Amino acid sequence: DAGVIQSPRHEVTEMGQEVTLRCKPISGHDYLFWYRQTMMRGLELLIYFNNNVPIDDSGMPEDRFSAKMPNASFSTLKIQPSEPRDSAVYFCASSLSSTYEQYFGPGTRLTVT
Amino acid sequence: AQSVTQPDIHITVSEGASLELRCNYSYGATPYLFWYVQSPGQGLQLLLKYFSGDTLVQGIKGFEAEFKRSQSSFNLRKPSVHWSDAAEYFCAVVPSGGYNKLIFGAGTRLAVHP
Repeated sequence: DAGVIQSPRHEVTEMGQEVTLRCKPISGHDYLFWYRQTMMRGLELLIYFNNNVPIDDSGMPEDRFSAKMPNASFSTLKIQPSEPRDSAVYFCASSLSSTYEQYFGPGTRLTVT
Repeated sequence: AQSVTQPDIHITVSEGASLELRCNYSYGATPYLFWYVQSPGQGLQLLLKYFSGDTLVQGIKGFEAEFKRSQSSFNLRKPSVHWSDAAEYFCAVVPSGGYNKLIFGAGTRLAVHP
């Protein structure tokens, strides 16, 4: 299996622009997680889905952030409008409900100038 | 509140020396326990896990961890560290009944001196 795939790997954008991060989970996994990692705040869980349904979005920082999972093989995390404080590495992870192990993608490094 | 504590933010060891990274959790029941490693510029990789049974579990890259219920601990060990082990290590738990959500510790950054 190819593992969790994220795109783009790097994104540089200007403040105020819309940013869309993409994730393809491991085939057959029924959970998908979005995390954000910064030096100051460490690893934060933003939102997670089970069978394409959002279960807990309490970690989403504010209304500028939204996430969707239209089908079992694709999810997006959108930031609109972006701000410099959104600069971070965003990880997607997936897991199988029977094993609990989360498999992480390589991350998207977002820089907002 | 449920939490995972990694008391050491940074640890430096010499290559070939033994290593122990500490992890403590606070939950009522026995959670599912994990250790992950993150090399620079990479995502997190699972090292090992504990669900039940033998309290000493073996993982990849020569790592092992021991679950001690009385101490609410799940410490990671390696008998001889290699320079390539320099990375950040995260302890994590899935609380019983907590869906598949992981609660991560703050991480321990390991540096290895030649």
